[in-house]
Amino acid sequence: EDKVVQSPLSLVVHEGDTVTLNCSYEVTNFRSLLWYKQEKKAPTFLFMLTSSGIEKKSGRLSSILDKKELSSILNITATQTGDSAIYLCAVASGSARQLTFGSGTQLTVLP
Amino acid sequence: NAGVTQTPKFRVLKTGQSMTLLCAQDMNHEYMYWYRQDPGMGLRLIHYSVGEGTTAKGEVPDGYNVSRLKKQNFLLGLESAAPSQTSVYFCASRSSGGKETQYFGPGTRLLVL
Repeated sequence: EDKVVQSPLSLVVHEGDTVTLNCSYEVTNFRSLLWYKQEKKAPTFLFMLTSSGIEKKSGRLSSILDKKELSSILNITATQTGDSAIYLCAVASGSARQLTFGSGTQLTVLP
Repeated sequence: NAGVTQTPKFRVLKTGQSMTLLCAQDMNHEYMYWYRQDPGMGLRLIHYSVGEGTTAKGEVPDGYNVSRLKKQNFLLGLESAAPSQTSVYFCASRSSGGKETQYFGPGTRLLVL
């Protein structure tokens, strides 16, 4: 059975802090790893990673995949209150690229 | 270009009632998916479709049926709703050609009493 585990489950920081969110997986027929941000409603796409060691960046967010360790991290620097959300890690597998999600990390950024 | 839309946004059902959730996408995507999300859990795949006229079971298919009669629509049916099906349901779609990025609809909140 495919499995994705995220840690920590929740995190409270102050504006300006840097955070690291972790994701590990056990999946057969791995295709890629994706990060989503979920605020009140639908998950919105952040990154897709397919190759080890290549960092993806978007502003203050960055992510990297380690296929040897079957894990990924999502870094957020200089956090802002608008970064408060649930961050979901998902792994795509199989010919239909079905997603298996972790339970998410609830990030709260205090002013 | 509305992306992925879902109707209804919210529904209350009594145990044993039936209903259909509609997902529509205007991006000409081949693949469509139905997920449910429960408190403290990530999304779990219910059913998916790799093209018009096809459906397949996901991780938690029991109690649900689906149909994909038109490429742009993916319907999720509950024949006899149970309180355990109280959840938020998300539909997603993606294009073919090796792109894994799925785009999500706004969700349907379902409460079964």
